Amino acid sequence: DAGITQSPRHKVTETGTPVTLRCHQTENHRYMYWYRQDPGHGLRLIHYSYGVKDTDKGEVSDGYSVSRSKTEDFLLTLESATSSQTSVYFCAIRTDSYEQYFGPGTRLTVT
Amino acid sequence: QKEVEQNSGPLSVPEGAIASLNCTYSDRGSQSFFWYRQYSGKSPELIMFIYSNGDKEDGRFTAQLNKASQYVSLLIRDSQPSDSATYLCAAFTYNQGGKLIFGQGTELSVKP
Repeated sequence: DAGITQSPRHKVTETGTPVTLRCHQTENHRYMYWYRQDPGHGLRLIHYSYGVKDTDKGEVSDGYSVSRSKTEDFLLTLESATSSQTSVYFCAIRTDSYEQYFGPGTRLTVT
Repeated sequence: QKEVEQNSGPLSVPEGAIASLNCTYSDRGSQSFFWYRQYSGKSPELIMFIYSNGDKEDGRFTAQLNKASQYVSLLIRDSQPSDSATYLCAAFTYNQGGKLIFGQGTELSVKP
């Protein structure tokens, strides 16, 4: 499982509240990614990181921010959650041979 | 046009048959291609990847790549009911930090 954990695994929150999802890896991979997966849209990249404090936007970054203060942790924050952000969120790491491995996912519901 | 396209299925095959999953991509700059299996409610798991034209075999799985036709396929021999899942094709590009562009997946059902 490439040593990736995500927390929380499930969360229900109200519209307008901030939410932070955590991704933790144990193998010191440089690249980390946040995706969301929705029916009809597949997996879409939100943000990614290529090192501590080095992050960049993906294709669906609006309404999301990220931080990476340590190699092992990559945080995804929804500043003010909206119902359109109800989704399953996956974190992934990339190995030196370009393989990506996914964490178990976080199911987020915004009511 | 979507960058990576797959038939959504469902693709239904009998147990023991060969399942053939197909994928086309639009970016000729894509360097390598990955196949993931995703069971319902679970995260995608990497099955195999391929970056050279031709075939690559790993157990019951064979990935095929034809860069001229921009076509990737995954063959599953001796299909088992446990192979029933959604299969995601992804193309890797070095642009923008190295991104995987995913297709929407093909649902495979293997009938006993």
